[in-house]
Amino acid sequence: GNSVTQMEGPVTLSEEAFLTINCTYTATGYPSLFWYVQYPGEGLQLLLKATKADDKGSNKGFEATYRKETTSFHLEKGSVQVSDSAVYFCALRGNNRLAFGKGNQVVVIP
Amino acid sequence: NAGVTQTPKFRVLKTGQSMTLLCAQDMNHEYMYWYRQDPGMGLRLIHYSVGEGTTAKGEVPDGYNVSRLKKQNFLLGLESAAPSQTSVYFCASTLAGVRRSTYNEQFFGPGTRLTVL
Repeated sequence: GNSVTQMEGPVTLSEEAFLTINCTYTATGYPSLFWYVQYPGEGLQLLLKATKADDKGSNKGFEATYRKETTSFHLEKGSVQVSDSAVYFCALRGNNRLAFGKGNQVVVIP
Repeated sequence: NAGVTQTPKFRVLKTGQSMTLLCAQDMNHEYMYWYRQDPGMGLRLIHYSVGEGTTAKGEVPDGYNVSRLKKQNFLLGLESAAPSQTSVYFCASTLAGVRRSTYNEQFFGPGTRLTVL
């Protein structure tokens, strides 16, 4: 079945540092891929998406490229801010529903 | 538009008690979903509905029931609560996609924090 794997553990980094969160997937066919963000005490919000291979999704300085050859969709941001502290979830779409990774908590220290 | 709303926001139950969580959306979305979020587990799909009067099981349906009597509402029921059902529950909704290339964003409610003692 469809599944998403995110790197283990929280990520702590200083303001203006470079952020990478790894995401790999297993799926049949060519699923659409997403990153969702959850700020403290809130529900999830769509951050960015890519619907086919080599697509790059981008929003709020975050980027992710759909790599079919490596079945990956890594999230990157060049210079993080304290306001980027949140939990980030990678997800893929199949059969009218989303399969989520376990999420990564990102803490940005001033 | 209020978007997706959930009632209640917090609840504490004793083992064996029952309760219903209500999800409402005012965006005329066809699809609705119930997830639970547990530390280190991400979001897991409990049940979902692709239209009024329809429901289907997700990854972790045991111990839960759902109903979609009206298009705008999706109810999640716990008939006999257990401590393992302590979690944060999220409801989400989306428009139906017409083609594979069409993605309609899932909109999430703010969550219900449930504790079962």
